[in-house]
This record gives sequence, structure tokens and C-alpha cells, in this order.
Amino acid sequence: KAGVTQTPRYLIKTRGQQVTLSCSPISGHRSVSWYQQTPGQGLQFLFEYFSETQRNKGNFPGRFSGRQFSNSRSEMNVSTLELGDSALYLCASRVRTSETDTQYFGPGTRLTVL
Amino acid sequence: AQSVTQLGSHVSVSEGALVLLRCNYSSSVPPYLFWYVQYPNQGLQLLLKYTSAATLVKGINGFEAEFKKSETSFHLTKPSAHMSDAAEYFCAVSGSTAGNQFYFGTGTSLTVIP
Repeated sequence: KAGVTQTPRYLIKTRGQQVTLSCSPISGHRSVSWYQQTPGQGLQFLFEYFSETQRNKGNFPGRFSGRQFSNSRSEMNVSTLELGDSALYLCASRVRTSETDTQYFGPGTRLTVL
Repeated sequence: AQSVTQLGSHVSVSEGALVLLRCNYSSSVPPYLFWYVQYPNQGLQLLLKYTSAATLVKGINGFEAEFKKSETSFHLTKPSAHMSDAAEYFCAVSGSTAGNQFYFGTGTSLTVIP
């Protein structure tokens, strides 16, 4: 199976702009989570979507939003970008069975805000 | 809420020496436990996972971890460090209830000294 794909891999934006990142999970996986990773704050959970519904949400301002489509692909949007939004944004595809619960990560999107 | 503590944000070992990365979790019920590795500018790669089938779990690249319920620990070890093991390592936990969020530790940066 193909792994988790994220597009684009790199983005440069300026303050005040908005950005949309895309994530395609592993085929058959219905859950997608998003994380922000920065050197200062580490790995921080943004939100999780399951079957087009937001299931869990981290502690981020409303400028950060997401959605999931019927094919399980997910997008996250950041509006009114700030310098502090520069980070690696990671998407994870999640599968749960009777025996385990596992997340598989994509390569990430590196966002730089100037 | 669950939490994960990784003792030591930076660990240095000599090539060929034992690698020991510590992880303790807090959970009121037996969780699922994971170790991930991250190389520079990449996503997180699953190293191994504990799913209650066996307390000693073997993963990729010669790593293994032992689940100790009495100590609420899930330490990662490798008998002999290799230069290619230099990376960031994350311990994670998810609850046994469907829909539980994943919780990650703050990470341990492993340096291997030649």
C-alpha cells in the first residue's frame, strides 16, 4: 500500500496570508490527524478527523481549521498567518483494530512564514 | 488525560554502546504504546508498538522495548548503537477506547559518537 502523502512538501508564505495543506491517508484508513512541530514547542496535536467528522481537537486558535472528504483525504487551513506558524506540519493516518491502534505519518509540509 | 514523559531530551552514546531511551506513561487502563523515530526533515516512522500480546516488543533496526506495567514504563533499547541511529525518538500512547487521542512525549535526541 502507498503511504501517507502530503502536499506540498514546502511552502513559503507571508504574514497575513492563508494556506491550505493536503493529506491523503493510507488506503482504507478513515482517520487523519494533524500535528504541528516546532523546535520550541515540539509535537503538538491540532485535530483529528474520522469519517468526515472532527473527533478530537487540540488547543489551537480558530485560525487553524480542517476538514475531511468522503474519500478520507484531509485538508488543513491556516488563515491570517503569523510568523509563529512556521513549522513542520505532519499528517497521520490512523487504523484501529481489535488488537491495536496505530498512526502512520506522512513526510510533512514545511511551512515558512516571512 | 493521559501523558507521556521521556526522561532526557538529549542522549549521547558511543558507537557500539547500549542505547537506552526512557519513557513513562500515565494511564488508568492498559494503553497501546509506541516508539517513533524521526530523521531530519522527515515525518515520524513507526519503530515498534506494544499491543498486549507480549511485554517485550521487537522493532525495526534492532530496537526493542519492554512494557513494565508495575513501573508504567516502556523504555527503548538497542544493544549496539550505530551512527545511523542518530535521530529524534518519540514515545507515544493511545487509550484502549476507540476515539482516544494519541499523546506524544517531548522527544529524545540521540547522538552517536564515533
